[in-house]
Amino acid sequence: GNSVTQMEGPVTLSEEAFLTINCTYTATGYPSLFWYVQYPGEGLQLLLKATKADDKGSNKGFEATYRKETTSFHLEKGSVQVSDSAVYFCALNSGYSTLTFGKGTMLLVSP
Amino acid sequence: GAVVSQHPSWVICKSGTSVKIECRSLDFQATTMFWYRQFPKQSLMLMATSNEGSKATYEQGVEKDKFLINHASLTLSTLTVTSAHPEDSSFYICSADGGGRGEFGTDTQYFGPGTRLTVL
Repeated sequence: GNSVTQMEGPVTLSEEAFLTINCTYTATGYPSLFWYVQYPGEGLQLLLKATKADDKGSNKGFEATYRKETTSFHLEKGSVQVSDSAVYFCALNSGYSTLTFGKGTMLLVSP
Repeated sequence: GAVVSQHPSWVICKSGTSVKIECRSLDFQATTMFWYRQFPKQSLMLMATSNEGSKATYEQGVEKDKFLINHASLTLSTLTVTSAHPEDSSFYICSADGGGRGEFGTDTQYFGPGTRLTVL
């Protein structure tokens, strides 16, 4: 079956530090991959996606590259801000509409 | 585009009562909507997939008689928690298949802001 594994948090960084949140997946076929962000008390917002190997999704300074050979979709940002503090979810869609989520990684950015 | 709303954003009810949560796609039509439940500091658990005009498909372990889902139109799905008990207290989130709308194109779900249910 499909599964998504994310690094455990919390990830604690100082403002302007470089961010990496690791995500690896197991899936049949060729899934689409997503990163969602959840701010406290809110629903999920789609941050970026990639639909095929070597695609790079990017948005708001975040980016992630679909690596089929390593089955990974790591999230990166060059310089984080306090406002980036949230929980980040990696997810995949294998073509049957339903999403498979990772457990989420909390990011805490201090001034 | 591709905005999903939920109502109410929070609700407190007494044990034994029923609560209805609405999920609306505001600027697009959604043939398929999804209902999730999220416990504190945990990931989302898919409860059911709701298709317009047909019965919902429930995930294993989700009581269909307790969590009634209706998707009567292309912009509205409702989740009714019947005879709610304290263990039903949770954060309920819906999503809708964007059908190609929104900046992220096809094969993408857009989420509502969630509903916090507290059962006393």
